[in-house]
Amino acid sequence: DTAVSQTPKYLVTQMGNDKSIKCEQNLGHDTMYWYKQDSKKFLKIMFSYNNKELIINETVPNRFSPKSPDKAHLNLHINSLELGDSAVYFCASSQDLGGPYGYTFGSGTRLTVV
Amino acid sequence: GENVEQHPSTLSVQEGDSAVIKCTYSDSASNYFPWYKQELGKGPQLIIDIRSNVGEKKDQRIAVTLNKTAKHFSLHITETQPEDSAVYFCAARGHGGGNKLTFGTGTQLKVEL
Repeated sequence: DTAVSQTPKYLVTQMGNDKSIKCEQNLGHDTMYWYKQDSKKFLKIMFSYNNKELIINETVPNRFSPKSPDKAHLNLHINSLELGDSAVYFCASSQDLGGPYGYTFGSGTRLTVV
Repeated sequence: GENVEQHPSTLSVQEGDSAVIKCTYSDSASNYFPWYKQELGKGPQLIIDIRSNVGEKKDQRIAVTLNKTAKHFSLHITETQPEDSAVYFCAARGHGGGNKLTFGTGTQLKVEL
């Protein structure tokens, strides 16, 4: 059983398109995150949600819109894709906002914009 | 906000030797310091963590030390094996809330036979 699953694993698309990445966790965690890993492997937080409520919204272009229909799912929609959006996007979850707790990461979605 | 620096960026050791990766953080209120291992094509995996009220923690061949005064923490891997080859990330949880982790820039560890 995969704890944090992301789909798709690979996504190749043209500039200007709109795409979505889905994430689901079966750990019963309250908090979910999106991180972006660039070509130099740097991991930077984009968003976090706790029980469907937006908690962290870093300086991310508003072309990126997260949606959490329930606490087990956090999807990422990206409008008008640009070349600079090419990266690996990781979903993660943690028990809740307290703790502190480490994250459980998904296996990533490699987005390539051409 | 929190800033985490990590070094070295690459580390090559012979099988059986020890490896040490060091990180510094900026927020003196940070209270949690996990370490992650990322293998090729996979997501980061938590391997060990330490809280600010503890100075050292060990789990088999890996150990982490924390010096709050100096604001630095280190990962120690003993008796390295080829399967230890991966990218390792340190992280720190600052005081800003939301259980946000700020990651270091990663260390590519290569264990050579």
